[in-house]
Amino acid sequence: DTAVSQTPKYLVTQMGNDKSIKCEQNLGHDTMYWYKQDSKKFLKIMFSYNNKELIINETVPNRFSPKSPDKAHLNLHINSLELGDSAVYFCASSLGGPQYNEQFFGPGTRLTVL
Amino acid sequence: DQQVKQNSPSLSVQEGRISILNCDYTNSMFDYFLWYKKYPAEGPTFLISISSIKDKNEDGRFTVFLNKSAKHLSLHIVPSQPGDSAVYFCAASPSGYSTLTFGKGTMLLVSP
Repeated sequence: DTAVSQTPKYLVTQMGNDKSIKCEQNLGHDTMYWYKQDSKKFLKIMFSYNNKELIINETVPNRFSPKSPDKAHLNLHINSLELGDSAVYFCASSLGGPQYNEQFFGPGTRLTVL
Repeated sequence: DQQVKQNSPSLSVQEGRISILNCDYTNSMFDYFLWYKKYPAEGPTFLISISSIKDKNEDGRFTVFLNKSAKHLSLHIVPSQPGDSAVYFCAASPSGYSTLTFGKGTMLLVSP
């Protein structure tokens, strides 16, 4: 059983297109995250949701819109894709709170914008 | 502005020896530190953590040391095994509903 799953694993698309990446966790966690790992290998937080509410938005362009239909899902929709959006996107989840900073990551989605 | 720095991009160690991975941070608000391990084409997996109230935490072959005054932590793996070959990320967080700030990672290669 996969704890945090993402689909698709690979995504190749043209500039200007709109695409979505889905994330699901079956750990019963109440906090979910999206991270971006760019070409320099830095893992940077993009968004954090707690109980379906946005709690952190790290100055990500508004072309990126996360959507959390329920606690177990956090999807990432990207409009008008640009070359610089090419990266690996990781979803993660955790119990949240001061004692539970351990985050469980999905396998990543490699997005290539041509 | 890197708040978490892993200055060694790579480290090579022989099987059975000790691997020491280092991490420095600049933000005094960080009080929880974690190490994650990442294999190619997989997401990072949690390895070990330490709270700022401790200076050492041990879990099997893995020990994390924290020196708050120097804003430095290290991960010791002993004995190192070929299966430990992976990228190791140091991460830090202030407590509460907060996110992790990651270092750039150190690629560890353990040769037989």
